[in-house]
Amino acid sequence: EVLLMQSGAEVKKPGESLKISCKAFGYSFSNYWIAWVRQMPGQGLEWMGVIYPGDSDTIYSPSFQGQVTISADKSISTTYLKWSSLKASDSAMYYCARRNDATYYYAMDVWGQGTTVTVSS
Amino acid sequence: DIQMTQSPSSLSASIGDRVTITCRASQSISSYLNWYQQKLGKAPKLLIYAASSLQSGVPSRFSGSGSGTDFTLTISSLQPEDFATYYCQESYNTLLYTFGQGTKLEIK
Repeated sequence: EVLLMQSGAEVKKPGESLKISCKAFGYSFSNYWIAWVRQMPGQGLEWMGVIYPGDSDTIYSPSFQGQVTISADKSISTTYLKWSSLKASDSAMYYCARRNDATYYYAMDVWGQGTTVTVSS
Repeated sequence: DIQMTQSPSSLSASIGDRVTITCRASQSISSYLNWYQQKLGKAPKLLIYAASSLQSGVPSRFSGSGSGTDFTLTISSLQPEDFATYYCQESYNTLLYTFGQGTKLEIK
């Protein structure tokens, strides 16, 4: 079965660092782009950026450039989303999702279950 | 940047109703338009890709149409499990995809 499994919920204080993960199962991890998507409480879906695990090529949405770091370790089929200094406004649900290929017109066909990040003093 | 505008933002309907949600792109995106369903507290789920192709396992009461800038998602006969929020998304822009703001479908 093809799936993405994300790390568990996090509660952090402002200024702390955090790295959440997304592990892939059941397909060739290196060959599909993985995106990170933010959903703030009660709000819609926001595209943060994507990574190609095969060569770690990464593209960030301008809104998130410099705010987070996306990385991947293809030896363990895992992608990461990292903050070096969290803010209260980073409190949200974060999803990873696989971008399928041209046959699927690049739709996001597999989603992780989400990781809740709460930042509060 | 490509802007995606969905309408309506919310919708009340009854079991058995036919429902249509629209999505408009700020520029032509050919057929690079996808629809997702998100139930409360759950991850989004792909329903329709390439504007009109039904994802495997999705009931046939869901359908999509359109190309260029104007697209629709239709549910032919609403079922209880269809009450959710629906998002369109363009996958035309190079790896920086935009979602619509969502349409919340509620029970009347």
